[in-house]
Amino acid sequence: QKEVEQNSGPLSVPEGAIASLNCTYSDRVSQSFFWYRQYSGKSPELIMSIYSNGDKEDGRFTAQLNKASQYVSLLIRDSQPSDSATYLCAVTPPEGGYNKLIFGAGTRLAVHP
Amino acid sequence: KAGVTQTPRYLIKTRGQQVTLSCSPISGHRSVSWYQQTPGQGLQFLFEYFSETQRNKGNFPGRFSGRQFSNSRSEMNVSTLELGDSALYLCASSSTPSEQYFGPGTRLTVT
Repeated sequence: QKEVEQNSGPLSVPEGAIASLNCTYSDRVSQSFFWYRQYSGKSPELIMSIYSNGDKEDGRFTAQLNKASQYVSLLIRDSQPSDSATYLCAVTPPEGGYNKLIFGAGTRLAVHP
Repeated sequence: KAGVTQTPRYLIKTRGQQVTLSCSPISGHRSVSWYQQTPGQGLQFLFEYFSETQRNKGNFPGRFSGRQFSNSRSEMNVSTLELGDSALYLCASSSTPSEQYFGPGTRLTVT
């Protein structure tokens, strides 16, 4: 079983809709969770971090964490074509590896006009 | 504030050669982590340096090594290059635990 799992997509949504991206992780002890956006040919860009159960909102982005279910999600409201990218979920490993992130394979999002 | 910089941006090497990549973190960031990104394996952690000490290491062979200087700049070295080392090598810097900011990467092609 992979440590961090994401649906590879592509997830196709119309402009203006809500895009919902999901991620599950294998180890219950993981403490920190991140969403990165990566445009084709570019490096990952940090868009959200979440550390405790519940929702965290930043502009059009909402991260949701449920540690009991080992599940973290990212909602993008009012999706725009410029949101089309690969979204990477990352978690810190259970052994508390400071700045060691374990990444999922990423979900490709396509927002069509 | 300037972002993370990496040099060179592109590199072509031959099997058996060695390569050194450089990373300058965001000013004030003391932690530098290195990752390898390939289409098949995704983003994988190589190692992390903090205050000139390797603090974490991923599951890569000893051919992959790194170091950090007193100004927090970091280098990684890959010796005896193999075709499978062709990848995008990303450096990330951090001032707080775990929130990492990536540089543009070095695209290494091994022929």
